[in-house]
Amino acid sequence: EAQVTQNPRYLITVTGKKLTVTCSQNMNHEYMSWYRQDPGLGLRQIYYSMNVEVTDKGDVPEGYKVSRKEKRNFPLILESPSPNQTSLYFCASSPTGLAGGVGELFFGEGSRLTVL
Amino acid sequence: SQQGEEDPQALSIQEGENATMNCSYKTSINNLQWYRQNSGRGLVHLILIRSNEREKHSGRLRVTLDTSKKSSSLLITASRAADTASYFCATDAIGTASKLTFGTGTRLQVTL
Repeated sequence: EAQVTQNPRYLITVTGKKLTVTCSQNMNHEYMSWYRQDPGLGLRQIYYSMNVEVTDKGDVPEGYKVSRKEKRNFPLILESPSPNQTSLYFCASSPTGLAGGVGELFFGEGSRLTVL
Repeated sequence: SQQGEEDPQALSIQEGENATMNCSYKTSINNLQWYRQNSGRGLVHLILIRSNEREKHSGRLRVTLDTSKKSSSLLITASRAADTASYFCATDAIGTASKLTFGTGTRLQVTL
């Protein structure tokens, strides 16, 4: 089954404790992206990647890191989480990321993170 | 920054009625997409319309795009209770290297 898988789905952590949210897709998509969703703010893009070893900042990259060492994986790293990073996080992938624009995004089910 | 803004923020209708949601954006785009989200779940792609297209249909969905007004509308005809969800537009602005930006969404409630 074609899917984007995120883990963990739910996490409660404390300020400053490094964590990684994994994202994996099995559709051989070039394009992958991370979003956070907060009430009243919609989805805001954190980072995106157009292919292996190519990553770019989205609108809210501060406090986050990503890597794209393999095509299928795009982990989101919070080196020192803070309470303002409490949010619902989504990973997504797409088969296109070219001059013609971003194609249909396939989303994971989300990771709800709480930082105390 | 938010590229797309949906209007209205919330919409409540009865089953069988049509629902219309609007999206306005700020800069020229390659594509505009509409997505649906059920209560905290992952978003699901509904339809993509390219900047050189004016109208697109998919089942009960009809999307229009007016690039001169930088706006799009999503029409859901003969709505059902199962259409209750949040709907988001997303734009891929020219010159932003494939950065897809979402609006804040319209929350649709369809009652029996």
